[in-house]
Amino acid sequence: AQSVAQPEDQVNVAEGNPLTVKCTYSVSGNPYLFWYVQYPNRGLQFLLKYITGDNLVKGSYGFEAEFNKSQTSFHLKKPSALVSDSALYFCAVRDAGNTGKLIFGQGTTLQVKP
Amino acid sequence: EAGVAQSPRYKIIEKRQSVAFWCNPISGHATLYWYQQILGQGPKLLIQFQNNGVVDDSQLPKDRFSAERLKGVDSTLKIQPAKLEDSAVYLCASSSITGELFFGEGSRLTVL
Repeated sequence: AQSVAQPEDQVNVAEGNPLTVKCTYSVSGNPYLFWYVQYPNRGLQFLLKYITGDNLVKGSYGFEAEFNKSQTSFHLKKPSALVSDSALYFCAVRDAGNTGKLIFGQGTTLQVKP
Repeated sequence: EAGVAQSPRYKIIEKRQSVAFWCNPISGHATLYWYQQILGQGPKLLIQFQNNGVVDDSQLPKDRFSAERLKGVDSTLKIQPAKLEDSAVYLCASSSITGELFFGEGSRLTVL
């Protein structure tokens, strides 16, 4: 069965420093991977996805993610964190049955301090 | 482009009462999803529709939850009777042909 794991409940980083939010996946077949962000009392917003092609995927708000097949990872990164990036981040994988549904990790809270 | 609309945003009920949530997806999106997000967890799929047909409802507690999408556009999710453990945010999403899901703001349910 498809699954993703986010090993860190919370990541703390100082404003201006680079940030990484980790995600590992387990899939049968080719992985279709996604990152979403959730601000308090809001729905999930799409950041970026990996389907095929370049291992470095660029997304919204300056975020990017690196797909690593050998390590089965899809870490979210940003070169310089902003306080406004503080939110809950979810990694997701598309279900193998190709119904389109996404299976989400448990989420990682990112706290960026001034 | 209008996003996914959900209502109500907040609902407080007592256990054993009923509640209904409404969702209107992005225009033209054939696929609609209802997810349940319990505090501290990632969203979990309850039911998926393709037009007005059910694609996946394997995680829907059918003894108390029901959902419909009669005309293939908007959808209603109902809980009857509610239990304390149903307290959660109910997220509706629709998807485009490019695969990403677009979520509404969610409906937060508190069962007392």
